[in-house]
Amino acid sequence: KAGVTQTPRYLIKTRGQQVTLSCSPISGHRSVSWYQQTPGQGLQFLFEYFSETQRNKGNFPGRFSGRQFSNSRSEMNVSTLELGDSALYLCASSTYGSNYGYTFGSGTRLTVV
Amino acid sequence: EDKVVQSPLSLVVHEGDTVTLNCSYEVTNFRSLLWYKQEKKAPTFLFMLTSSGIEKKSGRLSSILDKKELFSILNITATQTGDSAVYLCAVGRGGADGLTFGKGTHLIIQP
Repeated sequence: KAGVTQTPRYLIKTRGQQVTLSCSPISGHRSVSWYQQTPGQGLQFLFEYFSETQRNKGNFPGRFSGRQFSNSRSEMNVSTLELGDSALYLCASSTYGSNYGYTFGSGTRLTVV
Repeated sequence: EDKVVQSPLSLVVHEGDTVTLNCSYEVTNFRSLLWYKQEKKAPTFLFMLTSSGIEKKSGRLSSILDKKELFSILNITATQTGDSAVYLCAVGRGGADGLTFGKGTHLIIQP
């Protein structure tokens, strides 16, 4: 069965722009979570969606937002990009949520210049 | 504040050696501890532990959780160059707060 698919794989944006990242979970998985990975901070939780509802959000500014559609696909949006937003953004899906183990996608490498 | 600390941060060993990676945690409302292997981009799931003292095994890899002392170890025996990766420990809490990850242990296996 197909894994978690993230698009695009790579992205270069200019400071001040906005960006939308996409994630298609494994078929049947209703929970989608997003993480930011940087060399300094490691993997940090952004938010988790389950059946189109945001269940929780990590400690990130309001410029980071997301949504989940009825087919469980999810998008993440970052507005007014800053240089510090450069990171690998990982999406993970599971049947019920984080405590049951995730399957991660390969991520979107975002570079802000 | 929740905390997951992994040690060592990096480790270089020779093929065939046995390694032990450590993960200690301070988390309210603990639910589960998970180990992942990250080689290039996508972390891949290794183990999930919820009960203390019960070893999980998969081939040359094994892991155990001590909920009293708040730590877990990941053992890899007869290491191979393909085991070279970053090993991530993560802790899940009750509810939907996402996982709290440690910084990882960068393991390098030399031939």
